[in-house]
Amino acid sequence: ELKVEQNPLFLSMQEGKNYTIYCNYSTTSDRLYWYRQDPGKSLESLFVLLSNGAVKQEGRLMASLDTKARLSTLHITAAVHDLSATYFCAVATGNQFYFGTGTSLTVIP
Amino acid sequence: NAGVTQTPKFRILKIGQSMTLQCAQDMNHNYMYWYRQDPGMGLKLIYYSVGAGITDKGEVPNGYNVSRSTTEDFPLRLELAAPSQTSVYFCASSYTGISNQPQHFGDGTRLSIL
Repeated sequence: ELKVEQNPLFLSMQEGKNYTIYCNYSTTSDRLYWYRQDPGKSLESLFVLLSNGAVKQEGRLMASLDTKARLSTLHITAAVHDLSATYFCAVATGNQFYFGTGTSLTVIP
Repeated sequence: NAGVTQTPKFRILKIGQSMTLQCAQDMNHNYMYWYRQDPGMGLKLIYYSVGAGITDKGEVPNGYNVSRSTTEDFPLRLELAAPSQTSVYFCASSYTGISNQPQHFGDGTRLSIL
């Protein structure tokens, strides 16, 4: 069974600051996803990372993948309140998907 | 564009009752998935389907059954509800499972078993 660990589990940060969320996984994977979930809502796709060294950016969020280290990062630049949400990474191997436990991000004005 | 539609949105069941959670997508996606999300946790895959007539188990299939008679619909059946099945259930779909296409999620069904 593939294990996916995210840290930190909870993150409180001030507006304007930078921070990184880490996603480690235990075995070889085909691809890695990042999702955002607002309280009581569904999941919204942020990024799909397919290969070693892949980097994708959208607004204040940037995701990267290091398949050799089995590590993905989600970097937040100059955080704003609207980024407050829970962020999940998910690792896929074949048709099986494994989610991390999520990072609950709160951005404080 | 409706995307992935789940019904019902909320349901309370008694132990031992059965029910079917409905999921429909209008994007002509081949792949469909059922997940459960327990409080404060990530999602766990219950079952998935790569096309009509084809289903397979995910990480936590016990206590559930699925069928896929059409491309659009992928219902999840609970036969004998147990308190451990209290959770939020999400259905998702994607055009193909091995590509750069993300999964599209429904709004979820919040199920309580008492």
